Formats: sequence, C-alpha cells, structure tokens
Amino acid sequence: GQQVMQIPQYQHVQEGEDFTTYCNSSTTLSNIQWYKQRPGGHPVFLIQLVKSGEVKKQKRLTFQFGEAKKNSSLHITATQTTDVGTYFCSYAGNNRKLIWGLGTSLAVNP
Amino acid sequence: NAGVTQTPKFQVLKTGQSMTLQCAQDMNHNSMYWYRQDPGMGLRLIYYSASEGTTDKGEVPNGYNVSRLNKREFSLRLESAAPSQTSVYFCASSEIGTGHSPLHFGNGTRLTVT
Repeated sequence: GQQVMQIPQYQHVQEGEDFTTYCNSSTTLSNIQWYKQRPGGHPVFLIQLVKSGEVKKQKRLTFQFGEAKKNSSLHITATQTTDVGTYFCSYAGNNRKLIWGLGTSLAVNP
Repeated sequence: NAGVTQTPKFQVLKTGQSMTLQCAQDMNHNSMYWYRQDPGMGLRLIYYSASEGTTDKGEVPNGYNVSRLNKREFSLRLESAAPSQTSVYFCASSEIGTGHSPLHFGNGTRLTVT
C-alpha cells in the first residue's frame, strides 16, 4: 500500500543544536503536510507544500519539498525546549485520504 | 472559536461495554474523521465522512461504527469494547476531503478498556 517513511524515528539534541526530519516516498506526491504534536497533545497543522522544489519558512522552521516531489524535510534551527514533540508528515493518497508517516519524536535537553 | 470539541476526555470501560465518543466542529467544515493513535503506530484512520450524509471506512474500522449526525457532529461508537481498543482517539475536520485541506484535531479521548 501507499506509505511514506519518516526518518529518524527519534532524535535527541542539546538546546541550540539544529534538527532535521525527513519524509521519503517511492512515488511522486501531490502535496506534503507537516504537523506537530506536543507530548499529551493533539496534532497541529504546520504547513502544506505543493510545488516542486518549494521552500517555506516559519521563524526557525524551514520546510522543503524535493524537486521530484518524492521527499520533504523539516529543519529547525537552534532548537528550543518548546520544539519538543513529534513531527508528522502526511500527503494525499490516491483515494484522496491522507497518508501519514509514523513521525519523528524530538527531545531537547536544556 | 472552539474548533473541534471531543467528549469525553478520558474513559475507562470494561470489556464488552459500549460507549459513544462525541465530536463537534464549528468551522463549517465538510469533512470529518476519526483516528486512533497507539505508540509506534502513528495515526490510523478509523472512519471518515467526506461530506454530510456520507461515511466511509478507513484502515481500521472493525469494532466501530460512526454517525454523521449533521454537518457539525460526527460520533464514533464502540458496541462491545475490547482491550485492543485501548488507545487515544482523535476527531478531526477539514474544509474539504481531498487530502489537500489541513486537518484540525480535537484534544483527544484517552480510552482504556480493561
């Protein structure tokens, strides 16, 4: 079935270090959505990318969609303790339903 | 704006008991969803409703039923709870159901079945 692989599964960083999570697919994607879920919370939509090579920034967060539209990345510059949580990517599958990655859990040591 | 409201927040059931999880959204969204989240399994779609009056199975529908009561409300029913249904349940809504519209999630229901 359709799937997307997110790597790494876990990441532990010192506050101030950078962090990157990747979302990889074997097929061309029409879009990528990124969500953040704080511990004990619910997923919150961050951004959607639809164009080949698209790059969007939100303060310290940089989102990128690959030229072939088969992969995407989320990069956080100078992590803070408020960045702790699980980051999920998702995309619209053939049946118009969202397909979800398993997420990357980020822990930040103060 | 309340967004997506789920009730209850916590529930403990005994095996075989039934219950209904309620969900309501006030964003005039057309599509609504029920997901379950288990450690290491990510978000799995139970049922969804692309628009008022329609419901469809997701990837893990067994043991559940849903009702799209009106445009605002989408309920999830467990007829005979099993320990395997211990999970966190999220209701979500989106403006349209094409996979290109952001999902707005409720705060979740933490269900334990003993």
